Amino acid sequence: DTAVSQTPKYLVTQMGNDKSIKCEQNLGHDTMYWYKQDSKKFLKIMFSYNNKELIINETVPNRFSPKSPDKAHLNLHINSLELGDSAVYFCASSWGANTQYFGPGTRLTVL
Amino acid sequence: AQKVTQAQTEISVVEKEDVTLDCVYETRDTTYYLFWYKQPPSGELVFLIRRNSFDEQNEISGRYSWNFQKSTSSFNFTITASQVVDSAVYFCALSGSPYAGGTSYGKLTFGQGTILTVHP
Repeated sequence: DTAVSQTPKYLVTQMGNDKSIKCEQNLGHDTMYWYKQDSKKFLKIMFSYNNKELIINETVPNRFSPKSPDKAHLNLHINSLELGDSAVYFCASSWGANTQYFGPGTRLTVL
Repeated sequence: AQKVTQAQTEISVVEKEDVTLDCVYETRDTTYYLFWYKQPPSGELVFLIRRNSFDEQNEISGRYSWNFQKSTSSFNFTITASQVVDSAVYFCALSGSPYAGGTSYGKLTFGQGTILTVHP
């Protein structure tokens, strides 16, 4: 029944490692997003894909690379992890620019 | 550029009190959407409401009500007879509508959030 799911829920890793977070939605939406929530709870958009095409690419280090294999999936790969990457990453989906529904979040801790 | 301001960082009330969370926004778009999301202690983001900029009718859903005033660029959220389960961080957000075009289309700009604590 899960609408937007993310794996893993928690990710603890060392500086310099490469990691991926996966997102899947079963709502039939055509647009998916990645947001970052920092330690002060501030939420900021990182990327958006519409029908597998990148449409929003905010000022994000190029160590972050989103990949959308199909409309139902949007993965986030992060190279050379840094301490400042520690945050909660949320995936979301919507039909066009309508209401965005969020996944449960992935808490990334970089040691 | 779009901006959302939630001036109240933290609010603390006792159960059954009414509480209003303020939200003020800035945008150059003529049409846009406004949202409220709830983030309970468990961490997920729960959608509460979406409002189109051309619809200024206030909305009530159970104990929740929303007051949208375009003239003051505000979209305030009131919880009536608050309960302990209402304790959460509440976010106001703004995005461009498909009719506005531009770079704000589909991009949610969030306020800083208001931490609401309801004490028994």
